[in-house]
Amino acid sequence: ETGVTQTPRHLVMGMTNKKSLKCEQHLGHNAMYWYKQSAKKPLELMFVYSLEERVENNSVPSRFSPECPNSSHLFLHLHTLQPEDSALYLCASSQNRGWETQYFGPGTRLLVL
Amino acid sequence: SQQGEEDPQALSIQEGENATMNCSYKTSINNLQWYRQNSGRGLVHLILIRSNEREKHSGRLRVTLDTSKKSSSLLITASRAADTASYFCATAGSIEGNLIFGKGTKLSVKP
Repeated sequence: ETGVTQTPRHLVMGMTNKKSLKCEQHLGHNAMYWYKQSAKKPLELMFVYSLEERVENNSVPSRFSPECPNSSHLFLHLHTLQPEDSALYLCASSQNRGWETQYFGPGTRLLVL
Repeated sequence: SQQGEEDPQALSIQEGENATMNCSYKTSINNLQWYRQNSGRGLVHLILIRSNEREKHSGRLRVTLDTSKKSSSLLITASRAADTASYFCATAGSIEGNLIFGKGTKLSVKP
């Protein structure tokens, strides 16, 4: 275990649904990240939070909405997704924002129908 | 934009053999990291090598870095079936804190 948990592990949703992904880190880290991993594509950085402040929004469509209520929790709110949004969504954390080691959660496998 | 690129895309070996994976990148880096991912799971950090280091070891893993060639290699010695996974290199992106990952090398170790 890396100290980063994600729920749910699997999610199936229709294009009109609203759902949220949750990430929690138990490492006392100050930075948290959302990544998207699609088949045969490199890992894509979506959002970066440092000390609960969003510092990076990597041209992500507005149907993905992140929330970081405190340094241990990170959410990704989903609404009106498209089938091409089906992917593995990974959360990660690091001690501070910088080019440091990142610790990943197990991911949420999302299928949009 | 993609920074690190692993080679080969896939590698199949027998248990006990050594596995070598390579990573090439384009711009100067602060450090380079290697991660492993078991199928459908999160990534696990293996090794971080800084730009002023040339070689680093961790157990059966050996990583080299050649900044003049902008390349790194990951060697797994005496491979085991449990080493079957995808291996990614990650380099520092243009914005602090952003790691950019390659597409990975899929390693299959047959018992």
